[in-house]
Amino acid sequence: DAGVTQSPTHLIKTRGQQVTLRCSPKSGHDTVSWYQQALGQGPQFIFQYYEEEERQRGNFPDRFSGHQFPNYSSELNVNALLLGDSALYLCASSNDVRAGDGNEQFFGPGTRLTVL
Amino acid sequence: AQSVTQLDSQVPVFEEAPVELRCNYSSSVSVYLFWYVQYPNQGLQLLLKYLSGSTLVKGINGFEAEFNKSQTSFHLRKPSVHISDTAEYFCAVDTTGGYQKVTFGTGTKLQVIP
Repeated sequence: DAGVTQSPTHLIKTRGQQVTLRCSPKSGHDTVSWYQQALGQGPQFIFQYYEEEERQRGNFPDRFSGHQFPNYSSELNVNALLLGDSALYLCASSNDVRAGDGNEQFFGPGTRLTVL
Repeated sequence: AQSVTQLDSQVPVFEEAPVELRCNYSSSVSVYLFWYVQYPNQGLQLLLKYLSGSTLVKGINGFEAEFNKSQTSFHLRKPSVHISDTAEYFCAVDTTGGYQKVTFGTGTKLQVIP
């Protein structure tokens, strides 16, 4: 089992550009969440996808969007990049937790985005 | 809304000494509590979680945590640390019921000194 995989590992962009990050969930998982971890901070919840739809969202602007594919993999898109978007972007997968049973999230290694 | 406070940004400790990493949370509803560890250039790994039942939770790598509802705390402990425990530790909270939406603390860097 490969676990959660993310690509690319590192990415350098300039302000105003657009970026797409990719995530493949752990085998058997159907829910994908994205987090932004700025330097020296804890991860902050961006949004969660289930059944190819955004199910809930954190306090992030519309420049942050995503997609989930039928095979449960997911993309995070960020438009009009700002310097403040520089961070480690983490993807986490889990089983559907509508029951709220504290199901464990498995995290990928992250994509390090640098905006110049 | 829920929040998590990790008061100690860095904790240095000598090898084989005990350690406690503090975590306090705030929530108006019942919560699940988690501790994650992050090694350099890696993602987060779950150490342990509290869902219900016994307030003392045992996790991997010899770590344990105690849920204290009256003090809204969930401190992480290990009786004897190893060099390999050097990492950043995050406390996190999720509300029971509804969809999963985990809130993390700002992290505590544990530095084990040989």
